[in-house]
Amino acid sequence: EAQVTQNPRYLITVTGKKLTVTCSQNMNHEYMSWYRQDPGLGLRQIYYSMNVEVTDKGDVPEGYKVSRKEKRNFPLILESPSPNQTSLYFCASSRPGQVGYFGPGTRLTVL
Amino acid sequence: QKEVEQDPGPLSVPEGAIVSLNCTYSNSAFQYFMWYRQYSRKGPELLMYTYSSGNKEDGRFTAQVDKSSKYISLFIRDSQPSDSATYLCAFLTGANSKLTFGKGITLSVRP
Repeated sequence: EAQVTQNPRYLITVTGKKLTVTCSQNMNHEYMSWYRQDPGLGLRQIYYSMNVEVTDKGDVPEGYKVSRKEKRNFPLILESPSPNQTSLYFCASSRPGQVGYFGPGTRLTVL
Repeated sequence: QKEVEQDPGPLSVPEGAIVSLNCTYSNSAFQYFMWYRQYSRKGPELLMYTYSSGNKEDGRFTAQVDKSSKYISLFIRDSQPSDSATYLCAFLTGANSKLTFGKGITLSVRP
């Protein structure tokens, strides 16, 4: 089954404690991206990757890092989380210029 | 002018009603037009996808695009309680794979 998986699905952490949210896709897609979704603000792109070892900033990259060492994986790293990063996070993948498939989401709370 | 504007909602209709959801956009480079549906606690899932002006029908759903006026619409006929979700319009330039989303409208269909 074609899918995008994210882990963990729910995470509560404290300010400053480094965390990683994993994303994996089994469709051999080149393009992967991370979004955050906040009430009243909609979905905003954090980072994206056009292929292995190629990443770039989206609209709201501050406070986040990513890496793309393998085609299927695109982890999102928060080196020092802050309460304003409390949000619902989605990973997505696609072939270039085609519609995106989304993961189930990770609900992050930073206390 | 915002790149994408979507009717804010929320919207509540009785079962069986015809629903009309709308988005306007300003970026002439948008080539692909999509509607995503997002159920509570789930990731967005692609509902309709088109790249040309006109209507595209899929069961009870019709996507309409008017490139000259820069608006897109989604019509839902014979709406069902299972259609209760948030609907997001989304746009793709084709030059890259970045999706630009509307903020979404929450639809509730009352039995």
